[in-house]
Amino acid sequence: GENVEQHPSTLSVQEGDSAVIKCTYSDSASNYFPWYKQELGKGPQLIIDIRSNVGEKKDQRIAVTLNKTAKHFSLHITETQPEDSAVYFCAASTPGAGSYQLTFGKGTKLSVIP
Amino acid sequence: IAGITQAPTSQILAAGRRMTLRCTQDMRHNAMYWYRQDLGLGLRLIHYSNTAGTTGKGEVPDGYSVSRANTDDFPLTLASAVPSQTSVYFCASSDARGTEAFFGQGTRLTVV
Repeated sequence: GENVEQHPSTLSVQEGDSAVIKCTYSDSASNYFPWYKQELGKGPQLIIDIRSNVGEKKDQRIAVTLNKTAKHFSLHITETQPEDSAVYFCAASTPGAGSYQLTFGKGTKLSVIP
Repeated sequence: IAGITQAPTSQILAAGRRMTLRCTQDMRHNAMYWYRQDLGLGLRLIHYSNTAGTTGKGEVPDGYSVSRANTDDFPLTLASAVPSQTSVYFCASSDARGTEAFFGQGTRLTVV
């Protein structure tokens, strides 16, 4: 089955700096790569996703890049703000019959220091 | 408000007891999932359902069962709880086109 590795496990940045979180996946058939943000006491919430036919996607301060050949994808957050502090999860999904089961990385705890 | 509702929010359960975690969605999503979240291990898939009437095993299905009698509900049952099932459980749903998976707020279960 799919295996997703995520690094680093913790990340501290100064407010205004950029943060980068990296993930690798094992199954070349995976074609959907979402990123989730989880705030304390809440469920994960999708912040951005990318499909395997695209190399990069941007949404305001966040961007995701995908390298299918190397089987890795990254989350980039620019101009970080204290409210960006949370746990971030990458995931990979291999299409199955009618559903997209997500395999998650172990998460990155991001702390933005004011 | 559209979304996923989980109940209870938290529960302390004696080992050996039976427990059902409830999950209801009102988005008419075909697919539903149960994940458990443990510190340092991320989210791991327990069971899933592609559509009403069908279920499948995920990465960590042992000790758990699910049913999908209709589109909206996807209960997770622990037949005889053990301390290793102490975790935060999340229900999620997505439509068959593979767009965003929506997560509930979670159920914190402690088995003592």
